[in-house]
Amino acid sequence: DAGITQSPRHKVTETGTPVTLRCHQTENHRYMYWYRQDPGHGLRLIHYSYGVKDTDKGEVSDGYSVSRSKTEDFLLTLESATSSQTSVYFCAIRGVAGGPYNEQFFGPGTRLTVL
Amino acid sequence: GNSVTQMEGPVTLSEEAFLTINCTYTATGYPSLFWYVQYPGEGLQLLLKATKADDKGSNKGFEATYRKETTSFHLEKGSVQVSDSAVYFCALGFTSGTYKYIFGTGTRLKVLA
Repeated sequence: DAGITQSPRHKVTETGTPVTLRCHQTENHRYMYWYRQDPGHGLRLIHYSYGVKDTDKGEVSDGYSVSRSKTEDFLLTLESATSSQTSVYFCAIRGVAGGPYNEQFFGPGTRLTVL
Repeated sequence: GNSVTQMEGPVTLSEEAFLTINCTYTATGYPSLFWYVQYPGEGLQLLLKATKADDKGSNKGFEATYRKETTSFHLEKGSVQVSDSAVYFCALGFTSGTYKYIFGTGTRLKVLA
């Protein structure tokens, strides 16, 4: 268990509203990732972080921003949600202490519906 | 660029049947290869991995061999169970600035009793 939680687990919102998803980890992992999962696309990387205040864009970052003000929390914000952002969002960490650097572990996901 | 292609599902098998899920990749450099499994309503779990050519990853009766000559990493299991019903993702890990992953589109497996 890599100690990853996501909140909320489910959210329904309306087009144009801001939404923030939270990923929380308890084991001081440096690397954190946000993905979205959509049918026919698998998982696609939105943003990632390699340390506090160190973030970078993934392949589908348009319309999303992230922040990491402390090691344990990685926030994903949709500034103005659109229906195309309806998806399941997964947070992941990489490099469990004492384990291989390239193994990635996932949170339980957040199902977001934008009406 | 790097990419992963895996067979489309769904795959429907009877219990105790042999399973193969095909995965091929394109990559520069020396990526690592992974299979993840996702059960309904859950996140992805690492099933097995291989970090260099000819390595075989194995776990819970599943196996996959990193074949550089055919750029493949096919998932196999000799005798599937109903509890193996899930979505399986092939993934490629590589370094580009930081360490990143590319996932296939997933293959849904349904095993019938």
